[in-house]
Amino acid sequence: RKEVEQDPGPFNVPEGATVAFNCTYSNSASQSFFWYRQDCRKEPKLLMSVYSSGNEDGRFTAQLNRASQYISLLIRDSKLSDSATYLCVVNLISGGYNKLIFGAGTRLAVHP
Amino acid sequence: DTGVSQDPRHKITKRGQNVTFRCDPISEHNRLYWYRQTLGQGPEFLTYFQNEAQLEKSRLLSDRFSAERPKGSFSTLEIQRTEQGDSAMYLCASSLWRTGRASGTLDEQFFGPGTRLTVL
Repeated sequence: RKEVEQDPGPFNVPEGATVAFNCTYSNSASQSFFWYRQDCRKEPKLLMSVYSSGNEDGRFTAQLNRASQYISLLIRDSKLSDSATYLCVVNLISGGYNKLIFGAGTRLAVHP
Repeated sequence: DTGVSQDPRHKITKRGQNVTFRCDPISEHNRLYWYRQTLGQGPEFLTYFQNEAQLEKSRLLSDRFSAERPKGSFSTLEIQRTEQGDSAMYLCASSLWRTGRASGTLDEQFFGPGTRLTVL
């Protein structure tokens, strides 16, 4: 089983749609959680951190359920510019060392 | 541009050749990471440095791979006797880790543009 698993894509949605991505992780020792965005042939960039209380950044809302080891990302009012691959990431920290574990990513294509 | 830079951006080589990639992190960052990404997958951790010390290596890093960060600034990743399975994007990231930071605190990693390796 992969350490971080995501919804398979691609998600093809019209502009203005609401889309949700899900992610599960297997290591209960994971301490931090993030969503990264990766455009085609570009490097990953941090989109937002994910907190247990849930957090929102404009049209983006992230949720974390530690008991279920489940993370989600909700994008409201999709824009063409949201088209990208969204990577679910967990951070394992042990003895001061930290390592990011990435999911395979979910591709989003927003069309006019 | 004060971000992470990598060189070369693309490398095509024949099987069996050696290749070396370079990463220049953000100047004040003390941690440097190497990842490998293949098509349709997320980046996979290879190794990382704090200053010049290599602190962790993934089992993905076979003995054909070696990484260095001799002066705690730029890093090199060398692959010896390349194989077709080495074809991938090699990503470098850097971060600023402060001693005494609470466990769980975000150690945001900034990625470079990557080096795309093709082994023929």
